[in-house]
Amino acid sequence: GQQVQQSPASLVLQEGENAELQCNFSSTATRLQWFYQHPGGRLVSLFYNPSGTKHTGRLTSTTVTNERRSSLHISSSQTTDSGTYFCAMAQVVGQLTFGRGTRLQVYA
Amino acid sequence: DPKIIQKPKYLVAVTGSEKILICEQYLGHNAMYWYRQSAKKPLEFMFSYSYQKLMDNQTASSRFQPQSSKKNHLDLQITALKPDDSATYFCASSQDRGQNTLYFGAGTRLSVL
Repeated sequence: GQQVQQSPASLVLQEGENAELQCNFSSTATRLQWFYQHPGGRLVSLFYNPSGTKHTGRLTSTTVTNERRSSLHISSSQTTDSGTYFCAMAQVVGQLTFGRGTRLQVYA
Repeated sequence: DPKIIQKPKYLVAVTGSEKILICEQYLGHNAMYWYRQSAKKPLEFMFSYSYQKLMDNQTASSRFQPQSSKKNHLDLQITALKPDDSATYFCASSQDRGQNTLYFGAGTRLSVL
């Protein structure tokens, strides 16, 4: 079946440092997405990025489809970035397969 | 102002009982989904609905039954509850089933004792 591997499992940063989160997937993925889960539980879509590079604010997502990997870069991290980041992919329309997430903790 | 409302936020149930998890979305979307997140497994897809019709079902157990009384409602009935059903259940929606971006509710955290 489809698999999504994320690394690292957890990451601790000092405010202002950059973060690089990795996602590898087991098949040629379509509909590659990154999500952020607030510590309280709510999931928010960050990027839909099946290929190439996308930016929003301090976040950059880069997906190299033929190498079956995607990354999420957070520049100048802030304490409010703390939470869990998920990579998800779908081969079947409407069915996302999620990785186990990277738990990020940013300290002041 | 959340546009996908899940009720209740927390739910405690005894083994063998039945519960209904409520989901309403006010985004005007045509596709709705249920996902489950437990301590043991990553977020996993359960069901997808499009225009109130079941499209995909990845849940092995018939104890889980989605119910769609209106286009913007997709409730989840769980019968004969087991402790292993303890998880946070997320409802999600998208404009259409093929749409790329899913919007998630805040979840219902279910604990089965």
